Amino acid sequence: DIQMTQSPSSLSASVGDRVTITCRASQSISTYLSWYQQKPGKAPTVLIYAASSLPSGVPSRFSGSGSGSDFTLTISNLQPEDFAVYYCRQSYSVPVTFGGGTKVETK
Amino acid sequence: EVQLVESGGRLVQPGGSLKLSCAASGFTFSGSAMHWVRQASGKGLEWVGRIRSKTNNYATAYGGSVKGRFSISRDDSRNTVYLQMNSLKTEDTAVYYCTRHVAYIGDWYVFDPWGQGTLVTVSS
Repeated sequence: DIQMTQSPSSLSASVGDRVTITCRASQSISTYLSWYQQKPGKAPTVLIYAASSLPSGVPSRFSGSGSGSDFTLTISNLQPEDFAVYYCRQSYSVPVTFGGGTKVETK
Repeated sequence: EVQLVESGGRLVQPGGSLKLSCAASGFTFSGSAMHWVRQASGKGLEWVGRIRSKTNNYATAYGGSVKGRFSISRDDSRNTVYLQMNSLKTEDTAVYYCTRHVAYIGDWYVFDPWGQGTLVTVSS
């Protein structure tokens, strides 16, 4: 199975900050990487697919980059509604695996 | 509006069985692969498995921790996907989500949307 490692596991930030979360795969996954946001008590929602593409409706302050085994999710100009947990997910091979999550908290 | 509604979660004893349902609406269910993902309280997301469409022979795949114990099926006439869970263990306690497989050109796909989840508690 492909292991997905996210860092940091949590971070503190303020509204307006630029936030970067990293995700590393245990082997190359090309760009078969997506990012999800989960707010407390809610189901996850998709933010990014194919490492850097935004589905329609996702705000442009979210961006993704990377290929191979190293990826980043960047939130520019952090908004109050962005305080949540973020997960990366690989779909290069079955079983699909998720990173452990990064909690973005208020500083 | 695309909607997924899970049901069937409850308290069950270790070693027992349970069948979850996920009713879909607002899209062509028969053409979509469907996945189950679970989340233990305060923990991360764990992929349980998926079932493909009739076009893809209803092929299934499972995560290692549930392989041989859980099975996924679907009834396209009822727009419903099921998760049959057997030989349940305390570590299977989690919220179980169903989610739709949305494919993009190039074999990329996302899970969108997700249902609200149903809680399964395995305890004596």
